[in-house]
Amino acid sequence: ETGVTQSPTHLIKTRGQQVTLRCSSQSGHNTVSWYQQALGQGPQFIFQYYREEENGRGNFPPRFSGLQFPNYSSELNVNALELDDSALYLCASSHVAKGVYEQYFGPGTRLTVT
Amino acid sequence: DAKTTQPNSMESNEEEPVHLPCNHSTISGTDYIHWYRQLPSQGPEYVIHGLTSNVNNRMASLAIAEDRKSSTLILHRATLRDAAVYYCIPVHSGNTPLVFGKGTRLSVIA
Repeated sequence: ETGVTQSPTHLIKTRGQQVTLRCSSQSGHNTVSWYQQALGQGPQFIFQYYREEENGRGNFPPRFSGLQFPNYSSELNVNALELDDSALYLCASSHVAKGVYEQYFGPGTRLTVT
Repeated sequence: DAKTTQPNSMESNEEEPVHLPCNHSTISGTDYIHWYRQLPSQGPEYVIHGLTSNVNNRMASLAIAEDRKSSTLILHRATLRDAAVYYCIPVHSGNTPLVFGKGTRLSVIA
């Protein structure tokens, strides 16, 4: 059973640019959630996808968007990057039908906006 | 969302037991109590969860107060690898997102 993987590991972008981060869910999991973790803080929920539909969103602007694909892999897109978007971006997969809702996290993508 | 209160930091000697407390006085009757930990430079890792009864697994034990307003994560013999930030998170049933606080940073001394 493979775990959650994310790519790339690190990324440096310039303010105003756009970025796409990728996540491959744990095998058999149908739900993916994305979190943003600023330095020294706990992760903050961005949004969740279940069966390719957005299933909840945190307090993040529309320039944060996502996709989930039929194979349950997922993307996080951020447009018009701002300096405050510099953070560790984490994805987590889970499977509702199993009845226990622990989430399995990937190692994260470290985004730096200059 | 139920609020949680955890100490900012704790320290333990290697191979000693560690008791990590969490107050969650506003927890609802159907919220599970989940614990996650985050090792340096890694994503959070699920540790354990419970509803009312105490729970044990290969990683830790979870003791839940009878009134469910607090819980304690117990590491029976701390190792250097247990140095991490530990988060206590009430989780409603379903796919509700995790609401992380600042957690407790555990240092383990050899």
